[in-house]
Amino acid sequence: DTGVSQDPRHKITKRGQNVTFRCDPISEHNRLYWYRQTLGQGPEFLTYFQNEAQLEKSRLLSDRFSAERPKGSFSTLEIQRTEQGDSAMYLCASSLLPQDSYNEQFFGPGTRLTVL
Amino acid sequence: KQEVTQIPAALSVPEGENLVLNCSFTDSAIYNLQWFRQDPGKGLTSLLLIQSSQREQTSGRLNASLDKSSGRSTLYIAASQPGDSATYLCAVSRVYQLIWGAGTKLIIKP
Repeated sequence: DTGVSQDPRHKITKRGQNVTFRCDPISEHNRLYWYRQTLGQGPEFLTYFQNEAQLEKSRLLSDRFSAERPKGSFSTLEIQRTEQGDSAMYLCASSLLPQDSYNEQFFGPGTRLTVL
Repeated sequence: KQEVTQIPAALSVPEGENLVLNCSFTDSAIYNLQWFRQDPGKGLTSLLLIQSSQREQTSGRLNASLDKSSGRSTLYIAASQPGDSATYLCAVSRVYQLIWGAGTKLIIKP
């Protein structure tokens, strides 16, 4: 399967714990995006990378959130000291550069986080 | 600030009907518009992408149109089938981020 993959698919944690999610983009894609989706809503942009550089971060991404893409391939999203309000589906997407793709984004299956 | 609205929020129709889903956006300075499908608890599947210079795109039974000047897009589904039941989301793109509507939940009754 050459699509975007995410791991784990589901995560249940207790409030105050740290969690880390992984995303593997489509192999030749330069750009990688993280979004968050709560029930009944459309996704909200969190951050994106072009190769290994994190170029934009949403105001939604509080200090408890950090994302990395160390070698320009896979990415991790860490949430420290989780809160119940962090419960959501975390979606990863990837794309080629806009001039090559019109920024068409391809999504992974998501990681569903439940904070108890 | 770009805002994307999808109407209706939910739609239930008998199998075989043709139907139209609507998406509106407030800022016409978009890079492209994408329509996605989302099955319950699952990720997003890209259905169609319309570049800002295009007026429509077609894929099988799906046709999406774009009118930038009025800030509207429609997704037309022909001869609907129960397997089309899902939530359909539209998203407009600046150069990097997508800005989303809340989706239309579609139920096709056999």
